[in-house]
Amino acid sequence: NAGVTQTPKFQVLKTGQSMTLQCAQDMNHNSMYWYRQDPGMGLRLIYYSASEGTTDKGEVPNGYNVSRLNKREFSLRLESAAPSQTSVYFCASSEQGSTEAFFGQGTRLTVV
Amino acid sequence: GIQVEQSPPDLILQEGANSTLRCNFSDSVNNLQWFHQNPWGQLINLFYIPSGTKQNGRLSATTVATERYSLLYISSSQTTDSGVYFCAGRGRSGGSYIPTFGRGTSLIVHP
Repeated sequence: NAGVTQTPKFQVLKTGQSMTLQCAQDMNHNSMYWYRQDPGMGLRLIYYSASEGTTDKGEVPNGYNVSRLNKREFSLRLESAAPSQTSVYFCASSEQGSTEAFFGQGTRLTVV
Repeated sequence: GIQVEQSPPDLILQEGANSTLRCNFSDSVNNLQWFHQNPWGQLINLFYIPSGTKQNGRLSATTVATERYSLLYISSSQTTDSGVYFCAGRGRSGGSYIPTFGRGTSLIVHP
């Protein structure tokens, strides 16, 4: 079982460039999430999708957009990257409601 | 609001020692999970523990939902236990339950 797969694992961008982080899950989960992790801050929610066709802002959505392409895939887009977006990004999925969440291996993004 | 607080923030142990990590959460949070983030950055599910006690080898966890806390016990620690331990609870946001994380406990186990 692949679980939650993120691509790419590493990326370096120049300020102002755009990119899309991809996430796919094979557990038939309804809900998917994007988090960023910064030193000393834990994981903070950027956007989530409670079910296919819906997306909502989390704690730190500015500078990001998301697309729930289908039930399996949830992408995160940076339209104009800024150094403040240098971080490790995690995608996660779970069943709707109060159940266990599973995480991808993370994407380490550096914006120079 | 949704609050998850972890203590201690940092912990240094000698191999073989025991430790207890604590997670306090607000009354709008339920369904606790514990994760270990290893030195390579991977988040590994340790326990899904809405209430009660679970054990997995040298690790065990207890959640007392009525008193809004969870504890992670590490016995006979090993250097491979090093890393950051996170707890996460489900907090309600709008019509959805969202995993909300504490800031973590950074554990270093020396040989």
